[in-house]
Amino acid sequence: GESVGLHLPTLSVQEGDNSIINCAYSNSASDYFIWYKQESGKGPQFIIDIRSNMDKRQGQRVTVLLNKTVKHLSLQIAATQPGDSAVYFCAQGGNYGQNFVFGPGTRLSVLP
Amino acid sequence: DAGITQSPRHKVTETGTPVTLRCHQTENHRYMYWYRQDPGHGLRLIHYSYGVKDTDKGEVSDGYSVSRSKTEDFLLTLESATSSQTSVYFCAISEVNQPQHFGDGTRLSIL
Repeated sequence: GESVGLHLPTLSVQEGDNSIINCAYSNSASDYFIWYKQESGKGPQFIIDIRSNMDKRQGQRVTVLLNKTVKHLSLQIAATQPGDSAVYFCAQGGNYGQNFVFGPGTRLSVLP
Repeated sequence: DAGITQSPRHKVTETGTPVTLRCHQTENHRYMYWYRQDPGHGLRLIHYSYGVKDTDKGEVSDGYSVSRSKTEDFLLTLESATSSQTSVYFCAISEVNQPQHFGDGTRLSIL
């Protein structure tokens, strides 16, 4: 069946450095991918999304890269800040937004 | 998220009792979802709704039922709670081909 996973369960970075969080997916038919951030005690917060007709999309301090050939998704955070400390999920889905498959998450810790 | 309210935020109950969780949205989005989140698992879909009175099962629907009598409200019911249903429950909303947005969750403990 479908699966969405993460290469690293935890990631520690120095404040000011760039962070890269990776995600592998199995369903090559999916055409919509999302990154979420979840802080302790809160619900997942939408960060950025990308559709399968794109390879890269940029937001404010974040970039998502999609490599369909190897079914790999990554989230890059520039100049990581203490407020970026959280768990990050990738999600894979179809056209209508339902039945998304979520990865278990990567915890990002920002060191002072 | 200001547009999604889950209630209660915390609940402790006993095995065998019925439990209803409520999700209320002010965004008028068509789709609403219930997920559970457990350690070691990603979010898992319980049920979702694609309109008033239109619902369907997700990956882990056994032991749960839902109802959507109004666009803004989506209820999740555990008819007879079991300890395996101890979890954090999240409601989400979306429009077609748009990302899901989540509430802040309900922490449910079943003793």
